[in-house]
Amino acid sequence: GAVVSQHPSWVICKSGTSVKIECRSLDFQATTMFWYRQFPKQSLMLMATSNEGSKATYEQGVEKDKFLINHASLTLSTLTVTSAHPEDSSFYICSARGGHDTEAFFGQGTRLTVV
Amino acid sequence: GQNIDQPTEMTATEGAIVQINCTYQTSGFNGLFWYQQHAGEAPTFLSYNVLDGLEEKGRFSSFLSRSKGYSYLLLKELQMKDSASYLCAVMDSNYQLIWGAGTKLIIKP
Repeated sequence: GAVVSQHPSWVICKSGTSVKIECRSLDFQATTMFWYRQFPKQSLMLMATSNEGSKATYEQGVEKDKFLINHASLTLSTLTVTSAHPEDSSFYICSARGGHDTEAFFGQGTRLTVV
Repeated sequence: GQNIDQPTEMTATEGAIVQINCTYQTSGFNGLFWYQQHAGEAPTFLSYNVLDGLEEKGRFSSFLSRSKGYSYLLLKELQMKDSASYLCAVMDSNYQLIWGAGTKLIIKP
């Protein structure tokens, strides 16, 4: 299958700082990228959907100003957690797909711990 | 509302066969996916069904009945490494993925 690379795999940051997570599609053009978070023993929760060159669509309850998503190219999307707090500690996962009716491939995930 | 149901947990024996069911009610349908997720890792793609019937891929098979809003994932010749959560997801009319809560599969020797 196609490869989606997510970086970093884990990060520890201080409360109040910002953290950027990158998601790259390595061997295909990702017209759509998705950002999820997952709390322990729970299912994936979609945070936002981004299409290349346009603003991300956020799910209800997700703060746009706190979770900044940029999808500037067909191979790269970034999620920036601004002014992180301990409650933002979670597993963040991106996925990417090339077309509407194709499967989505997942990045490795990023475990964020805010101390 | 949109809803995906799958059992929370299942237990099976190494070498046996297990079937994980998924029922769905969504706004439109553009395909159903099964993903495998090991603890602490991101999900990996297993299968995609958009037409009725059975899709076989090695030890794993996936079945879909659109009229019944039903799918199952069949795992044969179970191995210990198959212990994982199995996620069912449906793509709705807006091409958004609606996720089930996942089925935790425990394999015993």
